[in-house]
Amino acid sequence: QKEVEQNSGPLSVPEGAIASLNCTYSDRVSQSFFWYRQYSGKSPELIMSIYSNGDKEDGRFTAQLNKASQYVSLLIRDSQPSDSATYLCAVRAGGMRFGAGTRLTVKP
Amino acid sequence: DGGITQSPKYLFRKEGQNVTLSCEQNLNHDAMYWYRQDPGQGLRLIYYSQIVNDFQKGDIAEGYSVSREKKESFPLTVTSAQKNPTAFYLCASSIDRGGTGELFFGEGSRLTVL
Repeated sequence: QKEVEQNSGPLSVPEGAIASLNCTYSDRVSQSFFWYRQYSGKSPELIMSIYSNGDKEDGRFTAQLNKASQYVSLLIRDSQPSDSATYLCAVRAGGMRFGAGTRLTVKP
Repeated sequence: DGGITQSPKYLFRKEGQNVTLSCEQNLNHDAMYWYRQDPGQGLRLIYYSQIVNDFQKGDIAEGYSVSREKKESFPLTVTSAQKNPTAFYLCASSIDRGGTGELFFGEGSRLTVL
C-alpha cells in the first residue's frame, strides 16, 4: 500500500468550475498536510498547508482534512487556465511523503 | 533574497561517470533533503540531513552519496552505481528537524545520461 495516494488523473474541468482533488494517507501519526502545485518542468510550490481537522480557505483554494478517515482534499473554485498543473499531496510525520500527483487541466 | 540554489540546471553525463549536484540555501534552515522525480511520478526521498555532519538514507539511497559539512550546503553525488540516473532532482529545506513545517524547494537539476 502506498503511503500517500491521490485520485488518478488526469482531471479536466471547464474554466470557472470547481476542481476537486483528493488524497489519502496511511500513517496515522501524520501531523501536517500540504498541497503543492507543480508546473511542467518546474519545482513544486506550496499552495496550502493544513494541520487540524476541518476546512481551511485561502482565496479560491480550500483544503479539507479528516484525520479519522485519513483523508485530505483540495478544492479550487472558479478554476482558471493558469491553474492547469500537477497537484501534489504531501504528508509529514517527521519525513515528508508525496503522492504521485494529479494532473489538472482547466479548459477555456 | 533568501532561497535555495541548485546547480547546474541541466547536466549530461556519460555512463560510468560520477556527477555532483550542488544545493545551497541561505534560509538558515536546519534540515535539507534530496528528492528524485521521474516523469509522471511523485517525489521519492534519496537522502536527508537534519544537522551538520549527519545525514540519513531515504527510500532510494542506493547509488547516491551526500555530505553536509556546512549548514548551507548539501551536495548530492550520483555515482556510476546508480543504474537509472536520468531524472529530475530536487533539493529542499525546512526550518525544523523532523517537525511539521513545509519544505521549500530549489528549481531542480535535470540529469540526462547519454
